[in-house]
Amino acid sequence: KAGVTQTPRYLIKTRGQQVTLSCSPISGHRSVSWYQQTPGQGLQFLFEYFSETQRNKGNFPGRFSGRQFSNSRSEMNVSTLELGDSALYLCASELSGSSYNEQFFGPGTRLTVL
Amino acid sequence: DQQVKQNSPSLSVQEGRISILNCDYTNSMFDYFLWYKKYPAEGPTFLISISSIKDKNEDGRFTVFLNKSAKHLSLHIVPSQPGDSAVYFCAASDGRGSTLGRLYFGRGTQLTVWP
Repeated sequence: KAGVTQTPRYLIKTRGQQVTLSCSPISGHRSVSWYQQTPGQGLQFLFEYFSETQRNKGNFPGRFSGRQFSNSRSEMNVSTLELGDSALYLCASELSGSSYNEQFFGPGTRLTVL
Repeated sequence: DQQVKQNSPSLSVQEGRISILNCDYTNSMFDYFLWYKKYPAEGPTFLISISSIKDKNEDGRFTVFLNKSAKHLSLHIVPSQPGDSAVYFCAASDGRGSTLGRLYFGRGTQLTVWP
């Protein structure tokens, strides 16, 4: 069974640009969560989608948005990039989104904002 | 506000000995806890979990202990192996309503197992 895949793996952007990251969950998984990992803040929850609906959102500005498609694939978008958005963005999928199952993580997308 | 805390950023242990990684939490609504291991350039890998109705869960060399009254959990690795060297994250969930699908993570502990 294929794991969680994320594309692209690495990305370099400049301030003010926007970026779209993609995540394909494990087949059959309906919940997709996004996290931002930085050295100073650790793993911070961005948002979670279940059956194409955003069910949870963390404390990030509106520049961070996402969506989920009918095949459970998810995208997240960051507009008007800032230097502080440089981070590893991790996607995790879960079978039922019940929070009593483990989340399986992809390898992440390393975003660098110059 | 860090609801899950790992106060030791690093731990160094000799191969064959026990590694004990600690985690504290502040939210009494948390009722499901997980440990993840992370190597550089990879996403976190699930290791072991425990529900709040238990105080111990064991899986091979890995055992997680939960002390609800102290809001503390620990991961024991016995015996430690060099391949265990990685960053270990503690995570928690309350699995209810508006926080479904969300894990709260500690900042991680870098474990180094030396020969």
